[in-house]
Amino acid sequence: AQRVTQPEKLLSVFKGAPVELKCNYSYSGSPELFWYVQYSRQRLQLLLRHISRESIKGFTADLNKGETSFHLKKPFAQEEDSAMYYCALVKAAGNKLTFGGGTRVLVKP
Amino acid sequence: DTAVSQTPKYLVTQMGNDKSIKCEQNLGHDTMYWYKQDSKKFLKIMFSYNNKELIINETVPNRFSPKSPDKAHLNLHINSLELGDSAVYFCASSQGGQGAETQYFGPGTRLLVL
Repeated sequence: AQRVTQPEKLLSVFKGAPVELKCNYSYSGSPELFWYVQYSRQRLQLLLRHISRESIKGFTADLNKGETSFHLKKPFAQEEDSAMYYCALVKAAGNKLTFGGGTRVLVKP
Repeated sequence: DTAVSQTPKYLVTQMGNDKSIKCEQNLGHDTMYWYKQDSKKFLKIMFSYNNKELIINETVPNRFSPKSPDKAHLNLHINSLELGDSAVYFCASSQGGQGAETQYFGPGTRLLVL
């Protein structure tokens, strides 16, 4: 069975500092990986997915199959990045999203 | 306004009661989901329906019964509520049921069982 681990429950950084949210997964096949974000008082929404290889709001994430990781990075954090971030995995040809435990990011001024 | 909507937003009830949460999406999607977010913010899928048919049924007590009258609606009925059912329940939808499709989430229903 697939599993997603986010080891950090809380990340607190200063504005302008780099931020990296760790995500590791276990799955024997080829997964699809996502990052979802939940801003305060807003619904959960997709931030980015590995298949698109895109940068959204300055965030990037690279799938490392050797290390089974999909860490989320941003070189210069902004206060509006404060939110709850979830890493998620779905099996190729499946639709069941398995979420990590979430990381709360707090960007201080 | 195209979105996934849920009612009610908040639900406070006594143990043993039966309650329902409704979900509607006007995105024209074929697949809908229910997720539970516990007090530690952990999100776990409960059910998924594709075109009114159940396709995912995780290990959920049979007190929870989803119902999909049409592909735009997926309601969640909970019988004999227990304290441990207190959580935020999120509905979501996606275009189809395969792979890397984006899931669109509702605002959540915060259930508190006293």
